[in-house]
Amino acid sequence: AQSVAQPEDQVNVAEGNPLTVKCTYSVSGNPYLFWYVQYPNRGLQFLLKYITGDNLVKGSYGFEAEFNKSQTSFHLKKPSALVSDSALYFCAVRERYGNNRLAFGKGNQVVVIP
Amino acid sequence: DTAVSQTPKYLVTQMGNDKSIKCEQNLGHDTMYWYKQDSKKFLKIMFSYNNKELIINETVPNRFSPKSPDKAHLNLHINSLELGDSAVYFCASSQGQREGYTFGSGTRLTVV
Repeated sequence: AQSVAQPEDQVNVAEGNPLTVKCTYSVSGNPYLFWYVQYPNRGLQFLLKYITGDNLVKGSYGFEAEFNKSQTSFHLKKPSALVSDSALYFCAVRERYGNNRLAFGKGNQVVVIP
Repeated sequence: DTAVSQTPKYLVTQMGNDKSIKCEQNLGHDTMYWYKQDSKKFLKIMFSYNNKELIINETVPNRFSPKSPDKAHLNLHINSLELGDSAVYFCASSQGQREGYTFGSGTRLTVV
């Protein structure tokens, strides 16, 4: 069964500095990978996905993620963090062939310090 | 237009009561889901329906019963509510393997 590990509980970063949120996955075969963001008292919002092709994927709000098959990772990055990026970030993985189940990581709280 | 809408947004009820949460999506998606987010923010899948057919039924107490009258609606009925049922319940929908989920805004259930 597919699974996701987000090793850090909280990521603190100063405003304007680069932001990285780590994600590793386990899945049979090639994965479909997703990042979501959750603001307080809101539902999850889609940020970006990797399906196939270029390993560097660009998404909403200036975020990007790099698929690394050898390291089974899909880290989320932003070159310059904003205070408004403070939120909970979830990585998710799905098998290419099977049911539509998305397995989510435990989430990472990102705190951007002004 | 809200893509995935859940009602109610907040639900406070006493132990032992029965309650329902409704979900509707206007995206034309074939698959709908219920997820539970606990106090530690963990997201756990509960059920999934594809075109009104139950395809995922995780280890959930049988007090929880989903119902899908058509592919645009997936409701969740909970009998004999317990304190441990307090959580945020999210409805979501998707279409195909390549697309992610579209989530509703959640229903915060508090059992007192």
